[in-house]
Order: sequence, then structure tokens, then C-alpha cells
Amino acid sequence: DVKVTQSSRYLVKRTGEKVFLECVQDMDHENMFWYRQDPGLGLRLIYFSYDVKMKEKGDIPEGYSVSREKKERFSLILESASTNQTSMYLCASRRQGAEAFFGQGTRLTVV
Amino acid sequence: DQQVKQNSPSLSVQEGRISILNCDYTNSMFDYFLWYKKYPAEGPTFLISISSIKDKNEDGRFTVFLNKSAKHLSLHIVPSQPGDSAVYFCAARDYNQAGTALIFGKGTTLSVSS
Repeated sequence: DVKVTQSSRYLVKRTGEKVFLECVQDMDHENMFWYRQDPGLGLRLIYFSYDVKMKEKGDIPEGYSVSREKKERFSLILESASTNQTSMYLCASRRQGAEAFFGQGTRLTVV
Repeated sequence: DQQVKQNSPSLSVQEGRISILNCDYTNSMFDYFLWYKKYPAEGPTFLISISSIKDKNEDGRFTVFLNKSAKHLSLHIVPSQPGDSAVYFCAARDYNQAGTALIFGKGTTLSVSS
């Protein structure tokens, strides 16, 4: 079974803090993604990566950056957390042409 | 502009009856469509998919229908069970887009009552 693991289920951070969300997949997938889910807005794509060290902006990249130094790991960075970044963050991975597998999600609260 | 639309935020169905969840899309370059199910505080799980070269795909109680001319797909769940209560997301892939990210709709919350 494909496993996508996010480092934390719940996080509480202060405004202005730098926040790292980590995601690891164990199936050698080329593509990895970060989405956020908000009520009434569905899943919105923040960033994705189709290869090591490669990244592409999604629909809502502002305030975020990403890092993919190894194929299995894709990190989402909030450079200076703000309250409007309180959300459920979902990491996913997929091989080319197939369905995406999601992690369990990280509920981030910025206070 | 939303490329994948789920116009019904919620749907209520009785146990044993059919649930029909709808999805519309605008991008004619989409070539692959998927449905995901999501419980609260969990990540979405893949349910069923359909390629644009087909018009129907079945997997047990779940069937997805694709009408390319209308740019419309639907997920049928028969018979519906209380455990099917969740948020259902429709997603599509634009093969020509770099990285082939999935584009999701806003979701439909299905409630199945016993």
C-alpha cells in the first residue's frame, strides 16, 4: 500500500513564526503536491513538484514556499505564518498518469 | 475561474437508496477524472476514476458516468449506506499542463440516514 505520511496531525503556531510541514511518501512517486482545504472552498493547490529540486506554483502560492531535496520528501514552508493560513494542509503524491494518494492531513492553527 | 464545479454543497439520502453526485467541468483538455471521499480530520481517499475515452466505469456499489459533450460527470452510489456519509470531491487532470496536477471541485457533503 502507498503511504504518504505528514509529520504532524495538529499544529498551533504564533503569527510571524516560520512553519515547516513535512511530507514523506514511500512509493517512489515522481509527483508530489501540497493542497489546503477550507470550508466551502474545496482543495486548493499551493505548490507541486514533478521531480527532485523542481517546483511549480499552484493556484495559491502566496505566503508559501516548498523544498524537494529528495524524491520521497516534499516540505511546505510558511515563511511568516498569518492567521489566514489557519487551515487543513494535505500532501499528496502520484506517479505519472495515476491517481493521487493523500496523507492524513495537518490541521494548522495560527494564533 | 473554477474549472471543476460541484454545484450542490450537500445531499441527503436514505439508506438503501441511490446517491447521485454531480460534477461539471469547463476545460476540454481534461482527459482523466477521479472521485475522492473524505472523512473529517482525514486525508481524501481515492474512490473511482474514468478516462475520457470511456463513458462509464463501475466498481462495486460505485459507478461513474462521463458525458463529454455536456462536460459533465456523475457518481452513483447504490445502495447508499450510512458509512458513505462524507465529503465527495470530483477531480480532473489536464494532461497538457506541466506536472499534471489534479484540479478539485469544492466538494459535496453526502449524508446517508438509516
